[in-house]
Amino acid sequence: EAGVAQSPRYKIIEKRQSVAFWCNPISGHATLYWYQQILGQGPKLLIQFQNNGVVDDSQLPKDRFSAERLKGVDSTLKIQPAKLEDSAVYLCASSFTDGDYEQYFGPGTRLTVT
Amino acid sequence: ILNVEQSPQSLHVQEGDSTNFTCSFPSSNFYALHWYRWETAKSPEALFVMTLNGDEKKKGRISATLNTKEGYSYLYIKGSQPEDSATYLCALLGIQGAQKLVFGQGTRLTINP
Repeated sequence: EAGVAQSPRYKIIEKRQSVAFWCNPISGHATLYWYQQILGQGPKLLIQFQNNGVVDDSQLPKDRFSAERLKGVDSTLKIQPAKLEDSAVYLCASSFTDGDYEQYFGPGTRLTVT
Repeated sequence: ILNVEQSPQSLHVQEGDSTNFTCSFPSSNFYALHWYRWETAKSPEALFVMTLNGDEKKKGRISATLNTKEGYSYLYIKGSQPEDSATYLCALLGIQGAQKLVFGQGTRLTINP
């Protein structure tokens, strides 16, 4: 069974630029999560999708971050414009349902904003 | 804000030695406690999911216990090997009704050959 795929793996941009990350969850998984992990901290949930609907985006900085999952499969997370404090690893995870205890993570995208 | 605390933040252990670290949480009102192992440049890998007070889980040389009454979980590694070097993350699912994982900051373990 293929795991959660993410791209790119690494990205370096200057502040005020835009960036987008892509995630392909495990086939058949209805729930998709985006986490932000800043160095020295634990991953923090940014947004959770159930199929193509948003379940929780309470910690998503909506003035600069956006995410979509149009067909209920792949998802993109965008930052526009980026700030220095957005430097982090962005992890995507998926689970079979939102009540599933098990979440499966991708390898993450390491973003550096200079 | 509900905090999941892990200690220590980093740990250096000699190969062959055993070690343990702690995950502390303020409330017993959650669905499950997860332990993940996250090696550099790889995906976080699920180690254990525990739900009941007194749960004990084991996978090879790694084991974990859960005490919901006193608000902690321990992760033990017996006979550490270089491949155990990773960040170990603890996360609570459904803490006080929130349908999401709340992570601790992790314990970064380095095994010295």
